[in-house]
Amino acid sequence: GQQLNQSPQSMFIQEGEDVSMNCTSSSIFNTWLWYKQDPGEGPVLLIALYKAGELTSNGRLTAQFGITRKDSFLNISASIPSDVGIYFCAGQLLRDMRFGAGTRLTVKP
Amino acid sequence: KAGVTQTPRYLIKTRGQQVTLSCSPISGHRSVSWYQQTPGQGLQFLFEYFSETQRNKGNFPGRFSGRQFSNSRSEMNVSTLELGDSALYLCASSSGWDISYEQYFGPGTRLTVT
Repeated sequence: GQQLNQSPQSMFIQEGEDVSMNCTSSSIFNTWLWYKQDPGEGPVLLIALYKAGELTSNGRLTAQFGITRKDSFLNISASIPSDVGIYFCAGQLLRDMRFGAGTRLTVKP
Repeated sequence: KAGVTQTPRYLIKTRGQQVTLSCSPISGHRSVSWYQQTPGQGLQFLFEYFSETQRNKGNFPGRFSGRQFSNSRSEMNVSTLELGDSALYLCASSSGWDISYEQYFGPGTRLTVT
C-alpha cells in the first residue's frame, strides 16, 4: 500500500526552472525508484537507486538515496514542457514495494 | 525488446460481472506484479507471480485473483464486480528473481464498472 510521504503534491513552474521533489518513509528500504506517468499510460522508470547515499543522474534528472535509507529526492534541471506528468517514488525492501501518492508537475512555456 | 503489454486497454463492465485482464511481460522477465491505481488510493499492490506461483499478495478481497502461465504471461481476474473496482490496472514485470529488482510497467487496462 501507499505508505510513502511524497511532496509536494503538485508544482507549477516556468519552463527552464529547476524542480525538486522528495519522498520520506518511516521504514527503511533497500531500493528507491522514481517513475513518471503520463495520462492514460503506465509509469515509466526514470532512475533506480540501490545504495544509501547513492547519487544517480539520467540526463537532466538527478536522484539520491538518503543516507538513513528512509528518504529519496529527485531533481529535474532546466525543465521543459514534456516534463509534465506525475512523478512517483517507490521504495522496496525484499518483496515489499510501496509507492508515494505522486507529484503532479505542470510546466508553463 | 518489446515492453510490457496489457490487453485490453479499455473495458466497460456492469456490476456483478467478472473480468479477466491479460499481461505479457518483457521477454526473459519471470516476475509479474499487478497493481490497482485510483485517484483516491494511488497505486495499490495486488499480487506478484514468479514461475507460475503467487509469491506475494496485497490486501485485496478474494474476488481478485490471478495466475501465471509457463511462458510468464499473467492474467488477473475480478469476480462479482463492484463500482469501486473501477480503476487503472497495471502490470509490471521484473527481470530479477525477486520483486526487489527494477519493475517495468505496462500501459494499463482502464476498467470502468457501471
